[in-house]
Amino acid sequence: DIQMTQSPSSLSASVGDRVTITCRASQSINNYLNWYQQKPGKAPKFLIYAASSLQSGVPSRFSGSGSGTDFTLTISSLQPEDFATYYCQQGYSTPFTFGPGTKVDIK
Amino acid sequence: QVQLQESGPGLVKPSGTLSLNCAVSGGSISSSNWWSWVRQPPGKGLEWIGEIHHSGTTNFKPSLKSRVTISVDKSKNQFSLKLTSATAADTAVYYCASSYCSGGMCYMPSWGQGTLVTVSS
Repeated sequence: DIQMTQSPSSLSASVGDRVTITCRASQSINNYLNWYQQKPGKAPKFLIYAASSLQSGVPSRFSGSGSGTDFTLTISSLQPEDFATYYCQQGYSTPFTFGPGTKVDIK
Repeated sequence: QVQLQESGPGLVKPSGTLSLNCAVSGGSISSSNWWSWVRQPPGKGLEWIGEIHHSGTTNFKPSLKSRVTISVDKSKNQFSLKLTSATAADTAVYYCASSYCSGGMCYMPSWGQGTLVTVSS
């Protein structure tokens, strides 16, 4: 199985801050990396596919980058509705695997 | 995008079988999508369980493969999960999701709301 790691595991930030979350795969996955946002008690919401392609309807303050084994999710200006847990997921091969998540909360 | 809705018992006895259905609306289960199950133990992260294509082809997480069955019912436009020999470790919120693959890349754009299944006597 491809192992996914994320850092940090949690962070505190203020509205308007620029936030960056890192995801690393245990082997090269090309750019087959997806990002999801999950709020408490809700299903994950699909944000980004193929490392950098924004899903329709996702605000442009979200962006992704990377290829191979190292990837980042950036929120350019954190908004109140962005406080949530973010998961990366490799879409390269089954079994699909998720990172452990990064919780973004209010400073 | 399609909408998905899980249904099934919220309580399963230890050693019993966990059974869930996922109703698909707004699209046909016979589309090019794959259909996945993902679970999340309370307070923990997401775990992919497996997926099925409408042709019947399946893929599973190896550590669960011996206990998991995923099937499709085209007449009802739904797919199902069965997990045998349940233990407390299987207590989780179970999500169904559509899984779209293109050019070798797969992702899960649509998710059900999730249903909590507790394994307890």
